[in-house]
Amino acid sequence: QVQLQESGPGLVKSSETLSLTCTVSGYSISSDHHWGWIRQPPGKGLEWIGTVHHSGSTYYNPSLKSRVTISVDTSKNQFSLKLNSVTAADTAVYFCARDHDATIWTLDYWGQGTLVTVSS
Amino acid sequence: QTVVTQEPSLTVSPGGTVTLTCASSTGAVTSGYHACWFQQKPGQAPRSLIYDTSNKHSWTPARFSGSLLGGKAALTLSGVQPEDEADYYCLLYHGGGQVFGGGTKLTVL
Repeated sequence: QVQLQESGPGLVKSSETLSLTCTVSGYSISSDHHWGWIRQPPGKGLEWIGTVHHSGSTYYNPSLKSRVTISVDTSKNQFSLKLNSVTAADTAVYFCARDHDATIWTLDYWGQGTLVTVSS
Repeated sequence: QTVVTQEPSLTVSPGGTVTLTCASSTGAVTSGYHACWFQQKPGQAPRSLIYDTSNKHSWTPARFSGSLLGGKAALTLSGVQPEDEADYYCLLYHGGGQVFGGGTKLTVL
């Protein structure tokens, strides 16, 4: 069974860098799937942040591209998100998920999500 | 940047049928957008229901179906159950990226 678990600080100060890690179990991150980050501000909708493949290919939301880095660590079966220069608008539940491969296009397995609050 | 539009809210009676739609600001949604549908209940992570326009997962109830309808992606629920009350989001893959719709709050009443 594929499982994903987000981890990282729940509180980040304004202007600093938000860092989260997603640990994947039950499936190899070196497979053909991509791996993604999605966020959801309190009471609002979902926003795609970006996607990474174990080959190093990355795809980012244009509105966040200048502040986002997503990377993968195959030795630990993990992938990570860094979002710099955060503001209160970055307060959200952050989800990691297994993204598409060559044949199935969807985010089929999700972590439970982790709330990150940006404080002033 | 592409904007994906869904009905903000819909209400359906138990046992009824309802169709949710997903439109793209770039034009007609085609199979190349690989439209997906997700269900999210309060306090939970989203759950994938439909992928690649109309394909179901092993866990997707038979009453859910996906299609293309009038230039939009569509999710139809037939024989709605009380437990189907939730937020529904569509996702379109486009231009190397992905865009979620704003979500539809479905009330079963």
